[in-house]
Amino acid sequence: GESVGLHLPTLSVQEGDNSIINCAYSNSASDYFIWYKQESGKGPQFIIDIRSNMDKRQGQRVTVLLNKTVKHLSLQIAATQPGDSAVYFCAETDDYKLSFGAGTTVTVRA
Amino acid sequence: NAGVTQTPKFRILKIGQSMTLQCTQDMNHNYMYWYRQDPGMGLKLIYYSVGAGITDKGEVPNGYNVSRSTTEDFPLRLELAAPSQTSVYFCASTVDRGGYTFGSGTRLTVV
Repeated sequence: GESVGLHLPTLSVQEGDNSIINCAYSNSASDYFIWYKQESGKGPQFIIDIRSNMDKRQGQRVTVLLNKTVKHLSLQIAATQPGDSAVYFCAETDDYKLSFGAGTTVTVRA
Repeated sequence: NAGVTQTPKFRILKIGQSMTLQCTQDMNHNYMYWYRQDPGMGLKLIYYSVGAGITDKGEVPNGYNVSRSTTEDFPLRLELAAPSQTSVYFCASTVDRGGYTFGSGTRLTVV
C-alpha cells in the first residue's frame, strides 16, 4: 500500500486536556483505518477503527474522524491521562495488509 | 488465550549468523504478518500469510524467509544476518480485515 503519514512527530499535552493527533494518507483506495497505541517496550495495541463509509466513530474517551475528501484521519483523546503517554500510529489498508505511518509521540504533562 | 506469542524477546547475533524468530497464535487466525520497526519509525511489512501453506512478500523481504505449515505458527528466518537487520520484529495476526493482534516483539541486534 501507499504510505501513511502523521503531521507531527511529537505532541505534549497537559493532563486533563484533550489531545488531537492527525494523520494524512495518500492511498485514495484505502477503505479501512485503524489507530494503534504503542507503549515503550510493547507491541502496538488496537485503539479504534473506522471504515470509509463513516465520518466519525466514538469509543471510550477516543474519537476517530475521517475526512475522505482531503484524505485526513484524526484521533481525539478526551481528558488526557498520564497513561495515555505513548506513540500513536495510524494505519490504513485497501486489502488485508496494513500500512503504518511513522507515529506521534504523546507526552502528558502533570 | 495467550494471543500472539513471540520468542525470543531479545537476541544478539554476529554478522553472518542465522536464526529463527518464532511466532505462535492461539486464536485460529488465518492472517499472519511479520513487521520490523526501526527506531523512531513506523512498522514495515516483511512477509505475510493468508493461511497455512500460503506466504507472500511484503515491503522489505530481502534477507528473510518464512513458512506457514500450520495455522498457529509463522516463523521468520534470518539467513546471514547483517547490521541492517538490527531492529524490533513484531508478529501479528487477524481473523479477517480487522485490527491486528500483535505480539510483544523480538529485539534483535546484529554486531
